Amino acid sequence: EPEVTQTPSHQVTQMGQEVILRCVPISNHLYFYWYRQILGQKVEFLVSFYNNEISEKSEIFDDQFSVERPDGSNFTLKIRSTKLEDSAMYFCASGRDSNTEAFFGQGTRLTVV
Amino acid sequence: ELKVEQNPLFLSMQEGKNYTIYCNYSTTSDRLYWYRQDPGKSLESLFVLLSNGAVKQEGRLMASLDTKARLSTLHITAAVHDLSATYFCAVDSAEGAQKLVFGQGTRLTINP
Repeated sequence: EPEVTQTPSHQVTQMGQEVILRCVPISNHLYFYWYRQILGQKVEFLVSFYNNEISEKSEIFDDQFSVERPDGSNFTLKIRSTKLEDSAMYFCASGRDSNTEAFFGQGTRLTVV
Repeated sequence: ELKVEQNPLFLSMQEGKNYTIYCNYSTTSDRLYWYRQDPGKSLESLFVLLSNGAVKQEGRLMASLDTKARLSTLHITAAVHDLSATYFCAVDSAEGAQKLVFGQGTRLTINP
């Protein structure tokens, strides 16, 4: 069964460093998303991406964040200068269209020290 | 701003019992999703509810949507231990691409 895959599963980085989280969405999906979940809290929307551009973004998704689909298969989230409060589980998701459910990857646990 | 509230946030129940988790949301939306999350794991899609009065069932779980009351319920029938997990409802707040606003989650523990 096709699934969304994310790498790495766990990333530890020093404050101020740049990180890139990678995702391979399900191959025939057109909509891509990033969400995050701070430990023990609810899941929060970051950004949606369709037709090679951002469709929606939340107030969390400030200038430190960017997304890219560099090669038609990968979907990346870059955090330019990480802060301690960026520590969270980051989930990538993809969907066939905007009315069907999004399928989530297994997540990347980002720890900023 | 769309707010999504679940209750209860914690639920401990015995196997074989029935219970309902409630999901209230604050602004109009016709698209509501239920997800299950096991500890340290990803979100597994359970139900997609797209219209008023929608009811879906899978095994011991049944979800319904009342868009007029802005309320969805997730009913558990004759609970079994394997259903222990955290359950999230999420409401789509955008036209076009999804922008899901999640509830706080309900941590369900089912005891033998």
